[in-house]
Amino acid sequence: GEDVEQSLFLSVREGDSSVINCTYTDSSSTYLYWYKQEPGAGLQLLTYIFSNMDMKQDQRLTVLLNKKDKHLSLRIADTQTGDSAIYFCAESPGDAGNMLTFGGGTRLMVKP
Amino acid sequence: EAQVTQNPRYLITVTGKKLTVTCSQNMNHEYMSWYRQDPGLGLRQIYYSMNVEVTDKGDVPEGYKVSRKEKRNFPLILESPSPNQTSLYFCASSLGLGKNTGELFFGEGSRLTVL
Repeated sequence: GEDVEQSLFLSVREGDSSVINCTYTDSSSTYLYWYKQEPGAGLQLLTYIFSNMDMKQDQRLTVLLNKKDKHLSLRIADTQTGDSAIYFCAESPGDAGNMLTFGGGTRLMVKP
Repeated sequence: EAQVTQNPRYLITVTGKKLTVTCSQNMNHEYMSWYRQDPGLGLRQIYYSMNVEVTDKGDVPEGYKVSRKEKRNFPLILESPSPNQTSLYFCASSLGLGKNTGELFFGEGSRLTVL
């Protein structure tokens, strides 16, 4: 079946950029997402990208998609302590309802 | 306020004692789903429902049951809980097939411990 892989942990200093990477196997992925989970809370959608796009920027967030390599990344500029959370990459084939496949999550720790 | 509400948020129980985790959404969403989150394994889908009276197995359905008698509610039933079902459970909902970009709205989670 589909597989989504992420590294488990990332530590950065406040003010630096963070880059969280994700690889996926399903070549029919239509939508790719980044969700954020803060401590003690559910997941919230941060941003998403259509598979026919290479890049999407939304304020401090930049999503890059390399469809050939099936690689998705999330860059957070000027990372703040409030960005400390677990970030999940997810993919959906689009025509299968909302059957998202999630990666294992990357825990981002931001040091002051 | 648009939300997905799960209850209970925390539960400690014993092996074999039936329990139900309720989930309710107030957004008139067609699609609802249950996930469990375990360290190092991320989110794994247990069951999902495309609409009322339509449910299907996810990746890890063993030991769980669900029902979807009404659009807003999607309870998760553990008929005979076992310690390997100790986990953090999330309910999520979405507009439905082909109706959005796939954004899932999540509840706050239910932490279940089975002794």
